[in-house]
Amino acid sequence: AQSVSQHNHHVILSEAASLELGCNYSYGGTVNLFWYVQYPGQHLQLLLKYFSGDPLVKGIKGFEAEFIKSKFSFNLRKPSVQWSDTAEYFCAVDSNYQLIWGAGTKLIIKP
Amino acid sequence: EAGVAQSPRYKIIEKRQSVAFWCNPISGHATLYWYQQILGQGPKLLIQFQNNGVVDDSQLPKDRFSAERLKGVDSTLKIQPAKLEDSAVYLCASSLGFRRGRDRTEAFFGQGTRLTVV
Repeated sequence: AQSVSQHNHHVILSEAASLELGCNYSYGGTVNLFWYVQYPGQHLQLLLKYFSGDPLVKGIKGFEAEFIKSKFSFNLRKPSVQWSDTAEYFCAVDSNYQLIWGAGTKLIIKP
Repeated sequence: EAGVAQSPRYKIIEKRQSVAFWCNPISGHATLYWYQQILGQGPKLLIQFQNNGVVDDSQLPKDRFSAERLKGVDSTLKIQPAKLEDSAVYLCASSLGFRRGRDRTEAFFGQGTRLTVV
């Protein structure tokens, strides 16, 4: 069965630190890839997406992700985090018109 | 653009009672999803509609859960009878659907309904 794995359930960083959240998937065919974010008390919203083309994708709020097909990975990065980035981050993979979700990573930024 | 609307935001019921959730998707969105999100886990798809037809309900516990999308717009999700393990946030999402090429699966989410079964 297809699956999405997020490496860390909880990450704690200080402001201005660099961030990388891992995401690996198991599906070998053509995929669309997403990162969603859920800020405290708010609904899930799209951070960025990859469908095709340049494997380095830029999203909102300074986030970017790199699709590495050979590693089945789509890691999320941000060079310098802010306190307002505290949220839960979900990786999702679309295969055969179904979204498969990772378990999420809770990110806490210490001021 | 108005987002996905869900109601109620919160619901507390006793086990064996019934409960219903309502969702109004973004206008023009053909695909509607209901997800269950248990604390500490990612969203789990319960059912996916394309217009008013069911595309995938393989993970819907059909002995107690039911969903409908009459007229291909609003949708309701019902649980009858509820169990303690149904305590979760129920998320509704919508997307343009298959007809719009590769944007078809970008989903927009509502605020969710937090259900507590006691």
